[in-house]
Amino acid sequence: ETGVTQTPRHLVMGMTNKKSLKCEQHLGHNAMYWYKQSAKKPLELMFVYSLEERVENNSVPSRFSPECPNSSHLFLHLHTLQPEDSALYLCASSQDSRAGGELFFGEGSRLTVL
Amino acid sequence: AQSVTQPDIHITVSEGASLELRCNYSYGATPYLFWYVQSPGQGLQLLLKYFSGDTLVQGIKGFEAEFKRSQSSFNLRKPSVHWSDAAEYFCAVGRGAGKSTFGDGTTLTVKP
Repeated sequence: ETGVTQTPRHLVMGMTNKKSLKCEQHLGHNAMYWYKQSAKKPLELMFVYSLEERVENNSVPSRFSPECPNSSHLFLHLHTLQPEDSALYLCASSQDSRAGGELFFGEGSRLTVL
Repeated sequence: AQSVTQPDIHITVSEGASLELRCNYSYGATPYLFWYVQSPGQGLQLLLKYFSGDTLVQGIKGFEAEFKRSQSSFNLRKPSVHWSDAAEYFCAVGRGAGKSTFGDGTTLTVKP
């Protein structure tokens, strides 16, 4: 496989469920990101990991919990979500998190919270 | 704080016609500028980027963009649009890959 792969592509969960989104990059990059894309809102950066260390957390509610066990894998653990959390969650990677790098995006995980 | 404005929410052009998508930015220093494209059900793909040097940059799929510092703009152009160009286009500005700020996007519809 090449590029950035996200699973599952679609997820429906109740507000009391616990689920996880998975992202894997096959590009040898050192930085990985979670973005949230909601209808009629700009792309929101949620978390940044560089060399497996979280370097940025943009005031994301604690019901979203990221995990980066190595430079190739990134998870987003979800629990007690709200309907307004329904969105497309995009994972991205870049060579590193410094200036100028292009982002490589996965196809996203479409989350629906009932 | 950095910001990006894409004034056009939706643009419709005929196949074969030229295209220009507008992007205005606000940033305190020389920005890094990007254009990404998102096809339905897909993630974002980089079309082109500007860091420094020649203000006219060429990208993939026949796209180009021109950086105009005096106008704080980075408009995307294509001389002849193809039906497969129908997608959503995002302009982004930033000083770091993960710290880019994205515009709200412009949806392009291509008429046969």
